[in-house]
Amino acid sequence: DGGITQSPKYLFRKEGQNVTLSCEQNLNHDAMYWYRQDPGQGLRLIYYSQIVNDFQKGDIAEGYSVSREKKESFPLTVTSAQKNPTAFYLCASSSRLAGVYNEQFFGPGTRLTVL
Amino acid sequence: AQKVTQAQTEISVVEKEDVTLDCVYETRDTTYYLFWYKQPPSGELVFLIRRNSFDEQNEISGRYSWNFQKSTSSFNFTITASQVVDSAVYFCALSEAERNAGNMLTFGGGTRLMVKP
Repeated sequence: DGGITQSPKYLFRKEGQNVTLSCEQNLNHDAMYWYRQDPGQGLRLIYYSQIVNDFQKGDIAEGYSVSREKKESFPLTVTSAQKNPTAFYLCASSSRLAGVYNEQFFGPGTRLTVL
Repeated sequence: AQKVTQAQTEISVVEKEDVTLDCVYETRDTTYYLFWYKQPPSGELVFLIRRNSFDEQNEISGRYSWNFQKSTSSFNFTITASQVVDSAVYFCALSEAERNAGNMLTFGGGTRLMVKP
């Protein structure tokens, strides 16, 4: 079955620690995205990547870092510089056809709690 | 700048009632895409529909229908004969094609729909 997997589903972190969230897709999609969702709010874009070895900052990139070494993988690191990291993190991917991106498909999310 | 507004934060209906979720957007592009996603309690966003700015035809898919009106910059979503399984948070989103090579989505704040039996 094709899809997007995120792990872990729940993650607890102590203040001052870096933590990496995994996102893998087997849809052969070119583009991948990371969003953050706070309770009762919409999604905000953290980073996105259109091709391997390239990525761009979104609206709220401060305190986060990413890498895109393989087409199917787009891990997100939440660093200690992120002041309020407790949130629900969603990864998405989309395909591209004739220069036009299609809709984004989302993974099940990772809920990060900083203790 | 692009913006999506979902003025209804919560809606509560009784099963079998029809319900309309409002979405108003702002963009300076002439080519753009509009989306609706459903977020059930599990958290994963489920894609419902994608519409491009040149196609104003209304769309119906089973109990779901969408009304796109460029004149009022609205893309409303109606559920007919609602069911308890429709309870979720629904998001409207916008992607500007001209300024947005990366297909970034701007989301509205979401509308929480509660369907009571």
